[in-house]
Amino acid sequence: GAVVSQHPSRVICKSGTSVKIECRSLDFQATTMFWYRQFPKQSLMLMATSNEGSKATYEQGVEKDKFLINHASLTLSTLTVTSAHPEDSSFYICSASRGGDSNQPQHFGDGTRLSIL
Amino acid sequence: DQQVKQNSPSLSVQEGRISILNCDYTNSMFDYFLWYKKYPAEGPTFLISISSIKDKNEDGRFTVFLNKSAKHLSLHIVPSQPGDSAVYFCAASPEIYNTDKLIFGTGTRLQVFP
Repeated sequence: GAVVSQHPSRVICKSGTSVKIECRSLDFQATTMFWYRQFPKQSLMLMATSNEGSKATYEQGVEKDKFLINHASLTLSTLTVTSAHPEDSSFYICSASRGGDSNQPQHFGDGTRLSIL
Repeated sequence: DQQVKQNSPSLSVQEGRISILNCDYTNSMFDYFLWYKKYPAEGPTFLISISSIKDKNEDGRFTVFLNKSAKHLSLHIVPSQPGDSAVYFCAASPEIYNTDKLIFGTGTRLQVFP
């Protein structure tokens, strides 16, 4: 089946650091990738939709200058949390969609636990 | 405002019995519903889905029921197995077969004991 790889799985860093998270689709070309965030005891919340070769579409309330998304190829999207602060500590998870096949569910990576000290 | 609600944060079921996970939604525009299963330290994996034109979809031990008038869906697992122990998320989309704008519930942790 489809596999989405997300790296790193865990990050602990100091406040003010920028953190990059990678999301790769390993056996299919993902025209669209999605970035979610999950705070404790809350649901997965869509942050942005990333389309290969174009600018990401951010959901309301998500700062695009804070969360930089790059989808440079059909197999890789990156999320950079710039100048991270403790309130950015969360579980970030990406997913990928094949696109073009309307009956394909999203395939998720294993997530990144980000802890800002 | 939580549009997709899973009111039971946890459920404990004996092996071999039926597990019933519930999900309620508030937006009548939702037309496609999915269940995802998540093990610790892993991402959610797709389990089963149902579109609004159906009221039941079955796949092996998993059956999803949809009651549109009540804005309620449920996932039945029978017989339950210890390997089914995981967190189950329901998700909804405003468009049939389109998962670009999924709204997730908060999840229900299922524990199946021997």
